Amino acid sequence: LAKTTQPISMDSYEGQEVNITCSHNNIATNDYITWYQQFPSQGPRFIIQGYKTKVTNEVASLFIPADRKSSTLSLPRVSLSDTAVYYCLVGGINTNAGKSTFGDGTTLTVKP
Amino acid sequence: EAGVAQSPRYKIIEKRQSVAFWCNPISGHATLYWYQQILGQGPKLLIQFQNNGVVDDSQLPKDRFSAERLKGVDSTLKIQPAKLEDSAVYLCASSLAGTGTTYEQYFGPGTRLTVT
Repeated sequence: LAKTTQPISMDSYEGQEVNITCSHNNIATNDYITWYQQFPSQGPRFIIQGYKTKVTNEVASLFIPADRKSSTLSLPRVSLSDTAVYYCLVGGINTNAGKSTFGDGTTLTVKP
Repeated sequence: EAGVAQSPRYKIIEKRQSVAFWCNPISGHATLYWYQQILGQGPKLLIQFQNNGVVDDSQLPKDRFSAERLKGVDSTLKIQPAKLEDSAVYLCASSLAGTGTTYEQYFGPGTRLTVT
């Protein structure tokens, strides 16, 4: 069971790059790392998923070092609308959702 | 593509009363999840279905909570009787296939329950 640790909160300003790091020291060989975003009064929304090295999509980048014991979600040039809670999950094809909990996430506040 | 539908969006009940929530997942999604999210916390899985079978209900308080997905499509979560600590948002999610967390979960808007 891979436990994850994230900062409780982060502040940033519009236009800056934001990096949120998640620690997962007990990650298993078959585990992937998945990040979700949640706005107030909405359900979480999938952002990005990766296994190793770097993954990039139109929203974010995910950096995973060789030992895979941590990962960093990078949001380029954030705007006020990126203010949300970000969750890091670790699990694999055979890991059901109950064994890959959301935790309490990182609350990102973007200021003007 | 229509998203995950949930109803009602809001519900206020008194303690010891019963309440039921309904979820209709995205068409074709085999896996359905019910989460409880207490204010300020992350979602906690209550139960996970694969088609109409239960994959994981280890965190479901079975003395008062029940859930069913009879035809492998929509699902109902019931609380009977409700307690004050059940006040939370109940989120339903679905994923295309499989039970692993590599499968992207699509969440509904949730039902906000207030127990007084």
